[in-house]
Amino acid sequence: AIQLTQSPSSLSASVGDRVTITCRASQGISSALAWYQQKPGKAPKLLIYDASSLESGVPSRFSGSGSGTDFTLTISSLQPEDFATYYCQQFNSYPPTFGGGTKVEIK
Amino acid sequence: EVQLVESGGGLVQPGGSLRLSCAASGFTFSSYEMNWVRQAPGKGLEWVSYISSSGSTIYYADSVKGRFTISRDNAKNSLYLQMNSLRAEDTAVYYCAREVRLRSYFDYWGQGTLVTVSS
Repeated sequence: AIQLTQSPSSLSASVGDRVTITCRASQGISSALAWYQQKPGKAPKLLIYDASSLESGVPSRFSGSGSGTDFTLTISSLQPEDFATYYCQQFNSYPPTFGGGTKVEIK
Repeated sequence: EVQLVESGGGLVQPGGSLRLSCAASGFTFSSYEMNWVRQAPGKGLEWVSYISSSGSTIYYADSVKGRFTISRDNAKNSLYLQMNSLRAEDTAVYYCAREVRLRSYFDYWGQGTLVTVSS
């Protein structure tokens, strides 16, 4: 199975900060990567698919980039509602796998 | 509005069985592949199982293969997960998730149902 390594595992940031989360795949996955946001006690929410395509209804401050093995999720200006845990997921090959998550906390 | 509502979770002893259900509404259920994804307490997400729109193709994670069975009833807009020979490490919130057609990522998730395996 393809392994996804996210970094950092957690970070502290302030409202208005630019935040970048990375996801590295153990082998090339083209652009078959999605990003999800999960708040405590809630289901994950799809943010980005195909590495850089914004899901309908997701604010434009979220963006994704990368291909092959290295990917990033960027929040251009962190908002109070963005404090959550973020997961990457590859869908290039079976089984679909998730990264370990990055928890974004308030500084 | 797309809705996925899981039920059937609870406390079960090791070696026991449980059947989860997921009721779908707001979309043409029979046209979509569906999945189960779980999350152990305080841990990350783990894909569990997939079923095609017709039910003819099924996949399982190695961790549950031979113990769990996924199924669906398109007439009832429902997805199921029969879990047998449960282990402590199966303790998790189980989510049903709709797959974006043939893409293996998930655009809608249920609220989850907690399964606790403990004596």
